[in-house]
Amino acid sequence: EIVLTQSPGTLSLSPGERATLSCRASQTISSIYLAWYQQKPGQAPRLVIYGASSRATGIPDRFSGSGSGTDFTLTISRLEPEDFAVYYCQQYGDSPRQFTFGPGTKVDIK
Amino acid sequence: QVQLQESGPRLVEPSGTLSLTCAVSGASIISSNWWSWVRQPPGKGLEWIAEIHHSGYTNYNPSLNSRVTISLDKSNNQVSLKLSFVTAADTAVYYCAREFYWRFDPWGQGTLVTVSS
Repeated sequence: EIVLTQSPGTLSLSPGERATLSCRASQTISSIYLAWYQQKPGQAPRLVIYGASSRATGIPDRFSGSGSGTDFTLTISRLEPEDFAVYYCQQYGDSPRQFTFGPGTKVDIK
Repeated sequence: QVQLQESGPRLVEPSGTLSLTCAVSGASIISSNWWSWVRQPPGKGLEWIAEIHHSGYTNYNPSLNSRVTISLDKSNNQVSLKLSFVTAADTAVYYCAREFYWRFDPWGQGTLVTVSS
């Protein structure tokens, strides 16, 4: 089973600052199998990035994803008030077929 | 636009069976795609539970495999989840979601199920 580790656990930043979130896999995964989600309190997760670097529909271009192999990054170039939330990375594994999530990174207002 | 809505009992007794349904609109559950259930204990992270293909093929999280059943209700365009022998550790918000090329999109709003006597 592939384990995902996210760092930091909490990121305290001010609006307008740049956020860099890390997701590390215990084994090499294909980039097409890596996604990022945003979750606000009391809401369902929302897809932000898929295939490691493609923005989901309606996601502003201040969000970007990068990485390959075991190391992936979600970057928010300039934080807007609505971006403060918890972000999860997720991977798909096909041997056996299953999905795992990272523990999440909380981006909160400094 | 695909929309999902979970429903079911909000309170289940310990050792009982949790039963949830996910009503899908904007898409036919038998036309394409995989459908999944994901849960989130209060204040904790996300855990994938199970998936089902429109053909009926299923796949389960090994940690829950022996207690979980996912199925399709084709006549009502719904996806169902049953989790047996529940304990307090199964208290969580349960989400259904469409799988689309190895990612979950969209998600239902989720339903909180509490296991308690």
